[in-house]
Amino acid sequence: DAGITQSPRHKVTETGTPVTLRCHQTENHRYMYWYRQDPGHGLRLIHYSYGVKDTDKGEVSDGYSVSRSKTEDFLLTLESATSSQTSVYFCAISDLGGGAYGYTFGSGTRLTVV
Amino acid sequence: AQKVTQAQTEISVVEKEDVTLDCVYETRDTTYYLFWYKQPPSGELVFLIRRNSFDEQNEISGRYSWNFQKSTSSFNFTITASQVVDSAVYFCALSEASGGSEKLVFGKGMKLTVNP
Repeated sequence: DAGITQSPRHKVTETGTPVTLRCHQTENHRYMYWYRQDPGHGLRLIHYSYGVKDTDKGEVSDGYSVSRSKTEDFLLTLESATSSQTSVYFCAISDLGGGAYGYTFGSGTRLTVV
Repeated sequence: AQKVTQAQTEISVVEKEDVTLDCVYETRDTTYYLFWYKQPPSGELVFLIRRNSFDEQNEISGRYSWNFQKSTSSFNFTITASQVVDSAVYFCALSEASGGSEKLVFGKGMKLTVNP
């Protein structure tokens, strides 16, 4: 299996607090992605990265920021968590571009904002 | 803009029944890629198949088969003789070759329950 890990696996946080989710890969893949999964919405792209320090927004990027200072790590930050950000967050990686070859996904982080 | 529609949200069948999961896509590109992913109750996302827009051959893998029809913009997935282990949420996804964003757009998913 591809080496991709997400941390934490579960987190409960209070409204208004900052939260950072981490995605770590050992595959040296160029592309990394953050998605959120919500009932009735499927998987929606939040942000993605196509290289160190190269990131771009997805369709649901409001309220989220990302950083990628090293190839292996892609951080997703909720600056001030809201209840609408309660979700399951998946990180994905791809070597040659997810568009042609698909992704390998992490195990997900279940975030609850109370 | 690219879009994927999985009109069925939930299907329940009895073991050994055949079941087809529908996927309809929209794209303006002539080069694109289609995918199916499986999410079992444990929650992980598992890659099942990838198909490019130039390859309309149907594919069979064991009890799984895929029917790609560009004329109807559909990429349907059939499970033959379903088993309880097939119970999962299934996602269809699309990526366009142009734009360089390398993004996958997913349908909303279809939950399949196979009852013994």
